[in-house]
Amino acid sequence: QAVVTQEPSLTVSPGGTVTLTCGSSTGAVTSGHYPYWFQQKPGQAPRALTYDTTNKYSWTPARFSGSLLGGKAALTLSGAQPEDEADYYCLLSYSGVWVFGGGTKLTVL
Amino acid sequence: QVQMVQSGAEVKKPGASVKVSCKTSGYPFTGHYMHWVRQAPGQGLEWLGWINPNSGGTKYAQKFQGRVIMTRDTSISTHFMEVSRLTSDDTAIYYCARYPLSAVGSPFDYWGQGTLVTVSS
Repeated sequence: QAVVTQEPSLTVSPGGTVTLTCGSSTGAVTSGHYPYWFQQKPGQAPRALTYDTTNKYSWTPARFSGSLLGGKAALTLSGAQPEDEADYYCLLSYSGVWVFGGGTKLTVL
Repeated sequence: QVQMVQSGAEVKKPGASVKVSCKTSGYPFTGHYMHWVRQAPGQGLEWLGWINPNSGGTKYAQKFQGRVIMTRDTSISTHFMEVSRLTSDDTAIYYCARYPLSAVGSPFDYWGQGTLVTVSS
């Protein structure tokens, strides 16, 4: 089974910009992996932020955007807010078998 | 409105089995796959598998093949996920999450509230 890798932790200043990445042990991440990004705050269920690389949900703040960057999936947060401090997980599909990344703990400080 | 209500917390002994349910309402039951995801205490998310509500077809993570069984009862709009031969490593919150069969709809938009399964002797 593939291994999906994320930065364990990142820090961003309020109002700043940060990019979280999601790599695959099988090679470059492509749109065919249908990359997802989830946000999870303590004690809550995960909430999806983006799907199929770039698509947003109705509840996704405009400051979040998904993309492919240098062979990885990426989630960029532009204009970080204190409420964005959370764990972020990517999810990739491998022909119908899905694998989560290990998660990135994002600190807004 | 869409609701996905999971069964209550469970405490099981090592070697036992547990069956978690996810009762759905507010949308056509046969219109969405159901994925199951778990999260051990202080750990990340782990994908277990999915079930097609129409055919009952399933796909599991390799790690759980032979130990996890996903089923559904269309008459009561409820999905089930059973884990057998439990060990302490299976202690986790288990979530159900829906995923549309067609291109219409938002995938993983609704999740159950989670079911805590504790495995302890």
